[in-house]
Amino acid sequence: KAGVTQTPRYLIKTRGQQVTLSCSPISGHRSVSWYQQTPGQGLQFLFEYFSETQRNKGNFPGRFSGRQFSNSRSEMNVSTLELGDSALYLCASSSGTFTDTQYFGPGTRLTVL
Amino acid sequence: AQSVTQLGSHVSVSEGALVLLRCNYSSSVPPYLFWYVQYPNQGLQLLLKYTSAATLVKGINGFEAEFKKSETSFHLTKPSAHMRDAAEYFCAVRSLSGANNLFFGTGTRLTVIP
Repeated sequence: KAGVTQTPRYLIKTRGQQVTLSCSPISGHRSVSWYQQTPGQGLQFLFEYFSETQRNKGNFPGRFSGRQFSNSRSEMNVSTLELGDSALYLCASSSGTFTDTQYFGPGTRLTVL
Repeated sequence: AQSVTQLGSHVSVSEGALVLLRCNYSSSVPPYLFWYVQYPNQGLQLLLKYTSAATLVKGINGFEAEFKKSETSFHLTKPSAHMRDAAEYFCAVRSLSGANNLFFGTGTRLTVIP
């Protein structure tokens, strides 16, 4: 099976702009989770989508949003970008059951200037 | 609430030496624990996971970890380090809220000295 894919791999934006990141999960997986990785805060959970519904949300401002499509692909959107949003954004897919493993994509490196 | 603490942000070992990366967890109930590895400019790769079956868990690339409830620990070990093991390692615990998210430790960067 193909792994988790994320596009684009690199992005450069300026403050105030918005950005959309995309994640395609492993075939058959219905759960997609998003994480932000920064040197200062480490890996932090953003939100999880399961069967097109947001099932759980981390402690991030409303500028961070997401959605999931019927084919389980997910997008994450960040509006009004701030310098502190510069990070590696990782997507993980799983079947959605409690004991299942989360498989991570290579990430999207976002730089905000 | 669940959390994990990784002791030592940087660990250096000589090639062929024992690798020991420490992880302690905090959880009110038996946790589900994971170790992931991250190579430069890549995502996270699962090394192994503990889901309340055997306490000694064997993973990929010769790594293993032992769940010790009395010590609330889940340390990662490998008998003999290889140059290719140089990477960042993350311990994680599954949320118990029914949600499918992980809480990660701060990571340990492993350097292997030739």
